[in-house]
Amino acid sequence: GAVVSQHPSWVICKSGTSVKIECRSLDFQATTMFWYRQFPKQSLMLMATSNEGSKATYEQGVEKDKFLINHASLTLSTLTVTSAHPEDSSFYICSARESGAPYNEQFFGPGTRLTVL
Amino acid sequence: AQSVTQLDSQVPVFEEAPVELRCNYSSSVSVYLFWYVQYPNQGLQLLLKYLSGSTLVKGINGFEAEFNKSQTSFHLRKPSVHISDTAEYFCAVSDLNTGGFKTIFGAGTRLFVKA
Repeated sequence: GAVVSQHPSWVICKSGTSVKIECRSLDFQATTMFWYRQFPKQSLMLMATSNEGSKATYEQGVEKDKFLINHASLTLSTLTVTSAHPEDSSFYICSARESGAPYNEQFFGPGTRLTVL
Repeated sequence: AQSVTQLDSQVPVFEEAPVELRCNYSSSVSVYLFWYVQYPNQGLQLLLKYLSGSTLVKGINGFEAEFNKSQTSFHLRKPSVHISDTAEYFCAVSDLNTGGFKTIFGAGTRLFVKA
């Protein structure tokens, strides 16, 4: 089956630093990747939709200058949390939609736990 | 706008008992429906999906769900649960009016299987 990886699986950083999270589709090409944020015991909140070769589409209320998304290839999307603060601490999950798939079945990565001190 | 309601935030059940996790969505137009399972500190794994055709959908791990268009529901069921089924379950909907590209997730139901 389709596999999506995320790196790192967890990261601890100091307030004010930037953190990059990678999302890779390992055995398929993904024109579209999605970035979600999940708070403890809550559902997934879609942050942005990332399309290969174009600018990401951000959901309302998500700061695009704070959460930089790059989708430079059909197998890699990155999320950079710039000038991270403790309130950015969360579980970040990416998913990928296979190119040409007739419906929006997404394959999810294992998530990245970000803790900002 | 499309919304998904999972009626139970937590469902405790004894091992080998049947379980039903309820899900309702708001729109009556064409949708794709999904159930995902999430184990602690992991991503989501697809249990099953409804795209079209038979309203009874069978998934992995013995789960099944029934699409009811008139009631806009997509309840998940399993006839006999195991301890290992303890996890968070999310119902999700892709609205074809948006090209089917945006997926909305419910708040999740925590299934807790007791010995």
